[in-house]
Amino acid sequence: DAGVTQSPTHLIKTRGQQVTLRCSPKSGHDTVSWYQQALGQGPQFIFQYYEEEERQRGNFPDRFSGHQFPNYSSELNVNALLLGDSALYLCASSSLGGGGTGYLLDNQPQHFGDGTRLSIL
Amino acid sequence: AQSVTQLDSQVPVFEEAPVELRCNYSSSVSVYLFWYVQYPNQGLQLLLKYLSGSTLVESINGFEAEFNKSQTSFHLRKPSVHISDTAEYFCAVSESQGGSEKLVFGKGTKLTVNP
Repeated sequence: DAGVTQSPTHLIKTRGQQVTLRCSPKSGHDTVSWYQQALGQGPQFIFQYYEEEERQRGNFPDRFSGHQFPNYSSELNVNALLLGDSALYLCASSSLGGGGTGYLLDNQPQHFGDGTRLSIL
Repeated sequence: AQSVTQLDSQVPVFEEAPVELRCNYSSSVSVYLFWYVQYPNQGLQLLLKYLSGSTLVESINGFEAEFNKSQTSFHLRKPSVHISDTAEYFCAVSESQGGSEKLVFGKGTKLTVNP
């Protein structure tokens, strides 16, 4: 049973460019959340997608956008890249289709992928 | 909004010594609390969780954490650490909004176990 998979594993971009990161959730999961982890920091919530809609958003500018597809996979897009966008981007999946909190139905609140390391030059 | 404070950014210990990683949270409502571990170049793995019931929760690899509501703490402990426990540890609290939940993380504690 495959867990959460993210691609690519590493990416190097320059300021002003645009980037798309991809995530496939764990089998059986319908909700995808994205987190940004800057060097030496804890992960920070960017947004969450369920039923192809953004359900909740953290304190990130509109340059950060996302999408969820009918197969529950998701993309994170970042426009006009800044040096400060350099970070590890983590995708997490969970099951919220029943409307309840995922961790009451599963042994983990959210399953995390290994992340995409984005470096901005 | 909820927040999590991990008081120690780095904790060096010798192998087989006990260790405590401290975590305090701020919340005025019922909380679910978690400890995640992150090994180099990897994502986060759930170590243990507190949802309800017994305030002492244990992991399969010897870690335990105690939920203390009066002190709003969820400290992580292990009586005897191994070299393989070297990693970064994150305390997190869940925050629900509109039927969905997100995790709010502390800044992490880097545990280094020396021989």
